Amino acid sequence: DAGVIQSPRHEVTEMGQEVTLRCKPISGHNSLFWYRQTMMRGLELLIYFNNNVPIDDSGMPEDRFSAKMPNASFSTLKIQPSEPRDSAVYFCASSFDGRNQPQHFGDGTRLSIL
Amino acid sequence: AQKVTQAQTEISVVEKEDVTLDCVYETRDTTYYLFWYKQPPSGELVFLIRRNSFDEQNEISGRYSWNFQKSTSSFNFTITASQVVDSAVYFCALSEADTGNQFYFGTGTSLTVIP
Repeated sequence: DAGVIQSPRHEVTEMGQEVTLRCKPISGHNSLFWYRQTMMRGLELLIYFNNNVPIDDSGMPEDRFSAKMPNASFSTLKIQPSEPRDSAVYFCASSFDGRNQPQHFGDGTRLSIL
Repeated sequence: AQKVTQAQTEISVVEKEDVTLDCVYETRDTTYYLFWYKQPPSGELVFLIRRNSFDEQNEISGRYSWNFQKSTSSFNFTITASQVVDSAVYFCALSEADTGNQFYFGTGTSLTVIP
């Protein structure tokens, strides 16, 4: 079975540009999570969706960040405008809607903002 | 307050040694779940185990074993006869019944197995 698929794997762009990260969750999973991982702050939950609806976006750093889930098989995380401090690895994870189910992670997108 | 504490930041062991990674959690819920994930150098996060608060039986899977003790709020992970391929960062996580899908991750323990 296909796991969580993220694209791109790597992204290098200049400060001020718009960045779009994409995620396809595991088929049948209806919870989706976006995380950011840095050396300084570790693994941080940015936002999560349940049945395509954002449930908790309290981890989104600021208005430059936005996330959407237009359907059960696709989600995006956008940063506009990007800043060097946004450089990190961004992970998408999905799980079944049952409470406390394991989250399965994608391979991550390594984002570098110059 | 940190809900999951992994006090060991880095551990180095020589191949074939046993190693235990500590995880201490904090929750007021009576129903909760504990998880371990492995992040190898390639970067992906791999799910290893899920344990609920009502099941204190130890779990063994090959060279991996987990010791869950509610009395000390700990969920420790032991690797027996470590191998170089075990080198990774290991994360412990907690989810509470009341907050459902949200995970609280520890800061991770970086394990290096020296050949």
